[in-house]
This record gives sequence, C-alpha cells and structure tokens, in this order.
Amino acid sequence: GAVVSQHPSRVICKSGTSVKIECRSLDFQATTMFWYRQFPKQSLMLMATSNEGSKATYEQGVEKDKFLINHASLTLSTLTVTSAHPEDSSFYICSAPLGGTNEQFFGPGTRLTVL
Amino acid sequence: GENVEQHPSTLSVQEGDSAVIKCTYSDSASNYFPWYKQELGKGPQLIIDIRSNVGEKKDQRIAVTLNKTAKHFSLHITETQPEDSAVYFCAASSGGGYQKVTFGIGTKLQVIP
Repeated sequence: GAVVSQHPSRVICKSGTSVKIECRSLDFQATTMFWYRQFPKQSLMLMATSNEGSKATYEQGVEKDKFLINHASLTLSTLTVTSAHPEDSSFYICSAPLGGTNEQFFGPGTRLTVL
Repeated sequence: GENVEQHPSTLSVQEGDSAVIKCTYSDSASNYFPWYKQELGKGPQLIIDIRSNVGEKKDQRIAVTLNKTAKHFSLHITETQPEDSAVYFCAASSGGGYQKVTFGIGTKLQVIP
C-alpha cells in the first residue's frame, strides 16, 4: 500500500516557540493532504485540508494564523504550529488520499509536547 | 455535515471469540466506509473498507457489512487474537476523490489471552 511519512515523530518545545511538522507521500503524489489532531483517548479531528498550489481549507474553529499549512509540492505538506502553548500538546496526524479515490493513508503521527 | 456514531467504546473478548463493532452515519450521500486500526502511539492503519454498492466484504478474519437503508455498518472480527487489541475507528466519506473522512469516536478492543 501507499506510504506516508511524518517528521519528526516526537517534539518537545517551550511555550511561545513554533514547531514545523512535515508530511510526505513516499511513493505517490498527493495534491491533497489532510491534517488531524488527536487528544488522548479521543478520535481524530480534522483540522484542515492542504491543497498543493493553493490555500489550505480550515475546519471551523481552527485558527489558520496559528496552524500554518504549506503544500509545497505534490509529495510534501507542512504544518507549523506557531506560538505554541501547552494546550496545543497533542498527537498530529496527516493523511493523503491515493489517486483521486477516497482511500486515505495515514502517517505515523507526531507527538507534540509544549512545556 | 456527516455525523458518525460508534459503539461500544470499549470491548473485551476472550481470545478466539468474535468481536463486533457497530456504527451509524447520518449523511445519505456517504458512499465509502473505511475501518482503521490504531495501535498506541501510531497512526491509523486501514484494515478494510466497503463502498455503498456492496453489502458485505470479507478479508480473512475481518468482515464488514453495510445496510444503506438503515445507515448502519459493522465490523466483525472472528477468532480474535491478542494482537488484535487496539483502537478501531469507523469512518464515512462521500463524493469522489479527496473528500474528507468523518471518524467515529473509536472502540478500544482488548483481547484477553
């Protein structure tokens, strides 16, 4: 199956700093990628849809100026958490659909801890 | 928008028994229903999916059924093994490619050896 990677897998940062998370589709091209946030023992909540060559689409309640998304190429999307605070600590997961289908492949996730 | 409800939230079964997880969805336009398995600290892995033109699909010990009229779909795991222990999410999606997926709340399955 298709492979999606994320980097880093874990990051610990101080409050007020910014953190960048990368999501890559390794063996296929993805014009669209999705970013999710998952709090402990909860489901995945869609944050935004990342579109190659255009602006991301954010879900209601997600601050676009705080969670910056850049879909730089057909295989790379980045999520930058700006001015991170402890409440931003979460598990961030990206996914990419394969070839215009509904089938989404998920990355391994990034555990963000903000001190 | 779509709303997916999933139950039970936790499920414990003896090794070798069957496990059933049920979901309902609200949007009649949904036509793709994947199931994901998530192990601790990892991303979700697609284990099986079903489309609206099919009523049942099976892959070894895993099967999924879909009742479009009732907007129900279920995951059945037979002959459970300890390595089946994980959180399982159902999901629903509509339209063509690149449509976002709405997840259920998840079911934590524990298979007791």
